[in-house]
Amino acid sequence: SSELTQDPAVSVALGQTVRITCQGESLRSYSASWYQHKPGQAPLLVVYGRNIRPSGIPDRFSGSSSGNTASLTIVGAQAEDEADYYCNSRDSGAGHPNWVFGGGTKLTVL
Amino acid sequence: QVQLQESGPGLVKPSETLSLTCTVSGGSISSFYWSWIRQPPGKGLQWIGYIYYSGTTNYNPSLKSRVTISLDTSRNQLSLTLSSATAADSAVYYCARDIRYYDSRGDYRGNYFDYWGQGTLVTVSS
Repeated sequence: SSELTQDPAVSVALGQTVRITCQGESLRSYSASWYQHKPGQAPLLVVYGRNIRPSGIPDRFSGSSSGNTASLTIVGAQAEDEADYYCNSRDSGAGHPNWVFGGGTKLTVL
Repeated sequence: QVQLQESGPGLVKPSETLSLTCTVSGGSISSFYWSWIRQPPGKGLQWIGYIYYSGTTNYNPSLKSRVTISLDTSRNQLSLTLSSATAADSAVYYCARDIRYYDSRGDYRGNYFDYWGQGTLVTVSS
């Protein structure tokens, strides 16, 4: 079982706002990174750290964190945002870091 | 622009060793961490392990007894071997550059994977 928990599926109407959450104890100490994954493609980094977007990622994507929960928010969701979204962080153990992914959230844009 | 490309057999027999190579182009393999990540059919992403350019490695505890990751800096490649393969190891395997970042005080704050290969499907079947 994953140490990071995500809702399996979320839907949003075209142009509306959606928040995808990721819960885990390690998130109290470490930031999450978020990936968009479409079938047949490589995962794409969309947000990391304290709301940092790589070059080329639209500003409708943003990240935030509170307590043990990290969130990815999409403001004005577009049809091309339909994808699986994964959070990633380290585990909560000591020593060498082990990376863990959340189970993924399937986003449907209606 | 850094590019990664995985390669290796698409079919492996049960109990045999799964071996993959990731070739990095457009940048040096040195001074970075590199990870292998996989996605079984219909399931989520699973981190397998990482290697630092110095040779330091760390593996997912659930796979540690069967996994080896190595580097060939002369060829700008990293490799993955997974012994005693079973059907549960059937997956799309990705290599990715693994970046650590720190806050203004120099404290470690997290990681991210900024460049990924396209992935290669490996099926374990007789």
